[in-house]
Amino acid sequence: GENVEQHPSTLSVQEGDSAVIKCTYSDSASNYFPWYKQELGKRPQLIIDIRSNVGEKKDQRIAVTLNKTAKHFSLHITETQPEDSAVYFCAASTNNNNDMRFGAGTRLTVKP
Amino acid sequence: ETGVTQTPRHLVMGMTNKKSLKCEQHLGHNAMYWYKQSAKKPLELMFVYNFKEQTENNSVPSRFSPECPNSSHLFLHLHTLQPEDSALYLCASSQDLTATNYGYTFGSGTRLTVV
Repeated sequence: GENVEQHPSTLSVQEGDSAVIKCTYSDSASNYFPWYKQELGKRPQLIIDIRSNVGEKKDQRIAVTLNKTAKHFSLHITETQPEDSAVYFCAASTNNNNDMRFGAGTRLTVKP
Repeated sequence: ETGVTQTPRHLVMGMTNKKSLKCEQHLGHNAMYWYKQSAKKPLELMFVYNFKEQTENNSVPSRFSPECPNSSHLFLHLHTLQPEDSALYLCASSQDLTATNYGYTFGSGTRLTVV
């Protein structure tokens, strides 16, 4: 089955800097890669996703890149703000949500 | 509220108790999921239901028993749990099982403590 590894487990940046979180996956059939943000005490929320037919997707300060050959994908947050502080989870699945697998999460802290 | 409601938010139970977690969604989704979230571990998929039918049981111990009476409601019945079962239990829903939708919508979770 799919195995998703996420690094780093914790990340601390200064406000205004960029943050990058990386994930690798094992199942070459995976073709859907969502990212979730979970603020303290709240539910995970989908912030961006990418499908295997594209290499990069942007939404304002957030971007995700996908390298299918190397089987890794990354979340990039630019101009970080304190409200970006949260735990971020990557996930990977094929066309069937039965096999959605999550990374262990990255705790991002943005220092004012 | 995002449309997926979980109750209770917090639950403390003894190892001999029987309790149930409830999840309700009003998004018109057909697939519902139970996940276990433990500290510093990946979200663990427990059960998947699609159109009320269970499609996945991810090697979950029988002390966890799911029930899906309709596409809008999902329960997790708990009995004779162990302290290591203490975790945040998250319910999620999606339009269906295909990934050509917009990902999951998660509930806020039930924080379970087994004493």
